[in-house]
Amino acid sequence: AQKVTQAQTEISVVEKEDVTLDCVYETRDTTYYLFWYKQPPSGELVFLIRRNSFDEQNEISGRYSWNFQKSTSSFNFTITASQVVDSAVYFCALSAGSSNTGKLIFGQGTTLQVKP
Amino acid sequence: KAGVTQTPRYLIKTRGQQVTLSCSPISGHRSVSWYQQTPGQGLQFLFEYFSETQRNKGNFPGRFSGRQFSNSRSEMNVSTLELGDSALYLCASRDQGFAEAFFGQGTRLTVV
Repeated sequence: AQKVTQAQTEISVVEKEDVTLDCVYETRDTTYYLFWYKQPPSGELVFLIRRNSFDEQNEISGRYSWNFQKSTSSFNFTITASQVVDSAVYFCALSAGSSNTGKLIFGQGTTLQVKP
Repeated sequence: KAGVTQTPRYLIKTRGQQVTLSCSPISGHRSVSWYQQTPGQGLQFLFEYFSETQRNKGNFPGRFSGRQFSNSRSEMNVSTLELGDSALYLCASRDQGFAEAFFGQGTRLTVV
């Protein structure tokens, strides 16, 4: 079975704090892709990152960084020096199996509130 | 490039009616997927179309159907609407393979 778990339902931080959003995935496929999306109040999902199962290098993009660890089946997302504009719902997603290239399995999402 | 366009943005329908939602993908993208988002079930995959063929289908009843046209635009249809069909319906556009999906702003359907 394929599954994505985001254990943190809601996180509240004060601006400039660092925050890490956890994501744990399950799949038996050896080839898979992991994604993070941001959903602001307007509704559309905004793509943040894609990582394939053969690339465990961590990635940094500005204040955002991602830590992919196959040993623990985790793909965590850290926002450094959070800002009010980071407030949104964040989703981790999995796409696995050659017949499922167009199918994303989402976690339940983590609502991040950044207070001024 | 223009993004993914979904129409209409909001819909109110009565139980038992049917509804058609439209999605225009990013130019050049041949894959269109549909998702239903509700507070209780989260984001769930409905189906994917690629080059006018349904390539994958989620676990939804047959009342939910879709199609894709030769210009890659896609429509999804829900017949005999139920109150539980009230949701945000999101369309995603992809190039191919495991490429990242780009989403539209969604259609908020309310069934009364």
